[in-house]
Order: sequence, then structure tokens, then C-alpha cells
Amino acid sequence: DAGITQSPRHKVTETGTPVTLRCHQTENHRYMYWYRQDPGHGLRLIHYSYGVKDTDKGEVSDGYSVSRSKTEDFLLTLESATSSQTSVYFCAISGTGAYTEAFFGQGTRLTVV
Amino acid sequence: TQLLEQSPQFLSIQEGENLTVYCNSSSVFSSLQWYRQEPGEGPVLLVTVVTGGEVKKLKRLTFQFGDARKDSSLHITAAQPGDTGLYLCAGAAFGNEKLTFGTGTRLTIIP
Repeated sequence: DAGITQSPRHKVTETGTPVTLRCHQTENHRYMYWYRQDPGHGLRLIHYSYGVKDTDKGEVSDGYSVSRSKTEDFLLTLESATSSQTSVYFCAISGTGAYTEAFFGQGTRLTVV
Repeated sequence: TQLLEQSPQFLSIQEGENLTVYCNSSSVFSSLQWYRQEPGEGPVLLVTVVTGGEVKKLKRLTFQFGDARKDSSLHITAAQPGDTGLYLCAGAAFGNEKLTFGTGTRLTIIP
């Protein structure tokens, strides 16, 4: 299994509070992604990174920010959590090359009350 | 923005039946992958196809990449309850290694 861990695995927070989710990899892969998964929506890309300090927005980036100060860590921050951000969040990593296969973490279940 | 549309969105069939799910796009992809996700877990890669027209078999699963590299299909023969899950396709465009995921097909096999 690819070395990718997410923390925390579960979190309940109150509306308006900041929340940071962490993704850590030991594979030295270039690309790291944050997705959210909601019923009926599959995976939706929030932000991704293609290198240290190199990030870009995905399709549902509003209300989220990311940082990647080291190759192995990719942080997702909800500046002021809202109930609409209740979801399961997945981190993924992928390398370079023609077959850009992704490996996923176990997911973080976030509930905003 | 590259979009991958999967169909059907939901599929429920009896054990032993055959089924096909589709992944379609208007964009051309250098490679396309299929993943399966089980409840409470992250998606896991099943296969990667890289050549237009390519067919790959994984036991009872057959994957095909369209000749024009814009679409793919997954055919399951004699479906079993263990095939139940969310199936996702994902593609990478030429010159862009970022993966784009499809909308997913949620498959339920009824014993």
C-alpha cells in the first residue's frame, strides 16, 4: 500500500471555526490532491499541488485553502467552517509519467454542526 | 475543463448477470484508469489503459479504451456480491498529469 495517511480520521466542529486537515505521504510523489465526496457527487476536486508551494484550485475551492511547505505534507484549511462543508475528505497522491495513477488516503469524515 | 461523465449513475442487478458501465468525455486522454471504492475506504486502482482501442481483462472484468481515447467501458461478467461498490474512471490529458475523475457509478449486486 502507498504510504499516505490522513489526520484526523473523524472530526466534529462548530460553524465558524477554522479546521485543518493533514495529508502526509512517504512516497515522494509530486502531485497531491484534496477531494470531497458527497452522496450522489462522486469525487470533487478542491485543490491540488504539483510541487512544494505550487498549488492550484479545483472545481469546488471556495471556502478552502491549502498549503504545501514540504513534499510530504499537504494541508487543507477551512477558514470558517460551514454546514455545507460537512463531507468526507480524501487526499490522493500521484507521481509523474504517462500513467498518472492515484493512491488515496483513508478519508476524513468532517461534520460541521 | 475536462469532464468525464459516467453512466449509469446507479445500477442494481442480480448476482450472475452481466453489466457494462461507461465513461465518456469530449476530451482526449493520454491514459484512463478505473477505480473501485468500497464503503468507508478510499478508491483503489483496478486498471490503467493507455492505447486507443486497448482491451484489458482482470478476471471477470473487461476494460476497453475507445479508439479516439475519449471514452472507456467496464464490463463485468457473472457479477458477484463482492463487485458491489462505487466505480470511478479517471483520466489524464496529454501534457497535463493532473487526474480528472468521473462522476461515478454506484453498483449493487443482489445475492
